[in-house]
Amino acid sequence: SQTIHQWPATLVQPVGSPLSLECTVEGTSNPNLYWYRQAAGRGLQLLFYSVGIGQISSEVPQNLSASRPQDRQFILSSKKLLLSDSGFYLCAWRRGLAAGELFFGEGSRLTVL
Amino acid sequence: AQSVTQPDIHITVSEGASLELRCNYSYGATPYLFWYVQSPGQGLQLLLKYFSGDTLVQGIKGFEAEFKRSQSSFNLRKPSVHWSDAAEYFCAVGRNQAGTALIFGKGTTLSVSS
Repeated sequence: SQTIHQWPATLVQPVGSPLSLECTVEGTSNPNLYWYRQAAGRGLQLLFYSVGIGQISSEVPQNLSASRPQDRQFILSSKKLLLSDSGFYLCAWRRGLAAGELFFGEGSRLTVL
Repeated sequence: AQSVTQPDIHITVSEGASLELRCNYSYGATPYLFWYVQSPGQGLQLLLKYFSGDTLVQGIKGFEAEFKRSQSSFNLRKPSVHWSDAAEYFCAVGRNQAGTALIFGKGTTLSVSS
């Protein structure tokens, strides 16, 4: 069966510090991968998605970047965090050749102080 | 552009009462529609989905949803709510195309009173 892991689960970082959130999927190959951010009362905002290694699409201009160094690994990064980067970050995957549902990880709570 | 509207931010229902959560979408073609549930501090779990065919779809945990093309709606229902159903519920719409993302509504928080 397929599983998705995100870490760290919780992170408290000072303004201006770097960020790295990691997501890995097991049990499938060539998944489509997604990063969403969830802020209170604002639903889920799509940040990035990837259909293959090294292929990243950005939906919203911002202080964050994403990379996909391996088929089942998706990393969300920042060089210098802002207060507004605080939120709950969710990684998700979907089967690569099907337009089906997304499967979500457990999320990473980021607090920028 | 695709969009999803969940008109109710917060709903309180008595345990054992029926539930209906509303979802309206804006989409230029045949949509794929989804309902997800999220417990506090957790990821999202798929409740049900609609791709085509029968417009009344059954999901997990006793939930169902009905697709009404004429009203651009995909409302979620449950005949008898349990206290464990208290959570946040998200409606989402997607395109019939691999490699695309889902667009989510802002969610409806369900509280269950005893």
